[in-house]
Amino acid sequence: DAGITQSPRYKITETGRQVTLMCHQTWSHSYMFWYRQDLGHGLRLIYYSAAADITDKGEVPDGYVVSRSKTENFPLTLESATRSQTSVYFCASSGSIGGLNTGELFFGEGSRLTVL
Amino acid sequence: GIQVEQSPPDLILQEGANSTLRCNFSDSVNNLQWFHQNPWGQLINLFYIPSGTKQNGRLSATTVATERYSLLYISSSQTTDSGVYFCAVGAGEYGNKLVFGAGTILRVKS
Repeated sequence: DAGITQSPRYKITETGRQVTLMCHQTWSHSYMFWYRQDLGHGLRLIYYSAAADITDKGEVPDGYVVSRSKTENFPLTLESATRSQTSVYFCASSGSIGGLNTGELFFGEGSRLTVL
Repeated sequence: GIQVEQSPPDLILQEGANSTLRCNFSDSVNNLQWFHQNPWGQLINLFYIPSGTKQNGRLSATTVATERYSLLYISSSQTTDSGVYFCAVGAGEYGNKLVFGAGTILRVKS
């Protein structure tokens, strides 16, 4: 099915471990984003990508690494997980025409990460 | 950066009632979107509306860019409208990097 999918949907890990959250979209959207959602902080942008091999920091990038070797995939890696990274992570994508973002943002279903 | 304020923070409605949610933003924007997060956590795009008015069924939205606010109207509310409504804005060269408001929690009672 077309759309944007995240995996895993639920993950429990321990402090210090590396975790990778996967995001895959089938629309060939240029832009992809990672947000985290926490009570009291709403949705905050971690990283985004305007195209394959182009990534940039958002509001809260510390402790995270991203890559985008293919247009359809945008994995998010926590290199050494901390308790403060317990959150719900949302991947999103939006299209573009001529390099300009066409606007509408579409979200995946979210990945709930617990760091013990 | 841009500040986004949503009001009211909480709203309880009886089924069938109408409501208006407001989003104020602190600077000029070239991207404004409304989202609904349902009780299961899914985020659904309702409107992409940097200016003007749009309608989709019982929902409509108006953005007055010059006065830096947007309104989301919900008419004849249903219990399935419950959830959190977010306004998100972007500006300038990085208009695609949306900043989200804190949301309005809507509860519709049957």
